[in-house]
This record gives sequence, C-alpha cells and structure tokens, in this order.
Amino acid sequence: GENVEQHPSTLSVQEGDSAVIKCTYSDSASNYFPWYKQELGKRPQLIIDIRSNVGEKKDQRIAVTLNKTAKHFSLHITETQPEDSAVYFCAASSGNNDMRFGAGTRLTVKP
Amino acid sequence: EAQVTQNPRYLITVTGKKLTVTCSQNMNHEYMSWYRQDPGLGLRQIYYSMNVEVTDKGDVPEGYKVSRKEKRNFPLILESPSPNQTSLYFCASSLNRGAGELFFGEGSRLTVL
Repeated sequence: GENVEQHPSTLSVQEGDSAVIKCTYSDSASNYFPWYKQELGKRPQLIIDIRSNVGEKKDQRIAVTLNKTAKHFSLHITETQPEDSAVYFCAASSGNNDMRFGAGTRLTVKP
Repeated sequence: EAQVTQNPRYLITVTGKKLTVTCSQNMNHEYMSWYRQDPGLGLRQIYYSMNVEVTDKGDVPEGYKVSRKEKRNFPLILESPSPNQTSLYFCASSLNRGAGELFFGEGSRLTVL
C-alpha cells in the first residue's frame, strides 16, 4: 500500500520568511496529492491540492509542486504570517486507494 | 451548511465499557472514513465505507467496529475500550474514494482509563 513520508516534523520561521515542507510517496499509482492545515484544537482542512497531470499549482501565498518521477511533492508558503502557524499534513491517494497521510509538520511563525 | 458532525466531542471512560462515537454528514457523500490522530503518527485510518452496507478495514482496525446502515451515518464502536485507544478521533467524508477533498468532523477526544 501507499506510504507517505513528510519532513521536517517541526519548522520554525520568522514572519515574512518562506517555509517549505516536503513529502515522498511510494505508490506510483497515486494521482491526487492534497495538503491539509490543522490549527490548534481544530479539524484538518484542505488548503491546496494537485493532481498528477500538473507539475505546479499556486494559490496566493501557497504553492505545491509535484515531481512524479521522483515521487515527491512539496508545499511552499511565502511571506509567512503568524496565522500560518499550524500542523500541515500532506497526503496521497488514487481512485482505487484510500488517502494516506504524512505524519505532519508543526509550523511556527515567529512575529 | 455542509458539515460532518461527530458526538461526543470529549469523553472519559473506563476500560471495557462499550462506547459509540457517532458521525453524520449532510453532503450526500458516498465515502466515509474514521481516523485516529496520535502525536508523531499523523492521521491513521481505522475503517472506511464506500457506500451503504460496504465497509472495510483501514490500517489500524483492531478493537473497533463500524456500520453503515444509512448513507449519512457512520458510527464508530469500541466494544471493549482499552487505554491504548486513548486518542483524538476524526470522521471524514468525500464524494468518492481517494479522488477529492475529505471533509472532517470536529474531532472526538477519547480518554480510556
């Protein structure tokens, strides 16, 4: 089955800096790669996703890149703000397989 | 408002006392799933359901049961809870399996003494 690894487990940046979180997956059949943000005490919520026919997707300050050959994808947050502080989960799935999540990255943005 | 509702949100119980965590969605989603969240382990799937009366094990099903008698409801049953089932539980639903956004409930924090 699919195995998703996520790094780093914790990340601390200064406000205004960029943050990058990286994930690798094992199943070459995976074709859907979402990122979820979980604020303290809240539920995970989708912030951006990418499908395998696209190499990069951007939404304001966040972007995701996908390298299918290397089986890795990354989340990029630019101009970080304190409200970006949260746990971020990557995930991978295909139509025939359930979503598998990485272990999460706790991002802290220092004012 | 589209939502996934779980109850109870918080529960402290004792070893061996059967409990049920309810989950209901109002989006007419076919796919529903239960996850447990533990520090450093991310979200691990317990059971999932692709439609009414269709359920299957996830990665950590031991000690849990589920049922899907109606499309909107997917309760999680702990027949004889043990302390290692102390965790934060999330129910989630999506239109289809593995191919779109998962909508999560607010979570149920369970403590088994």
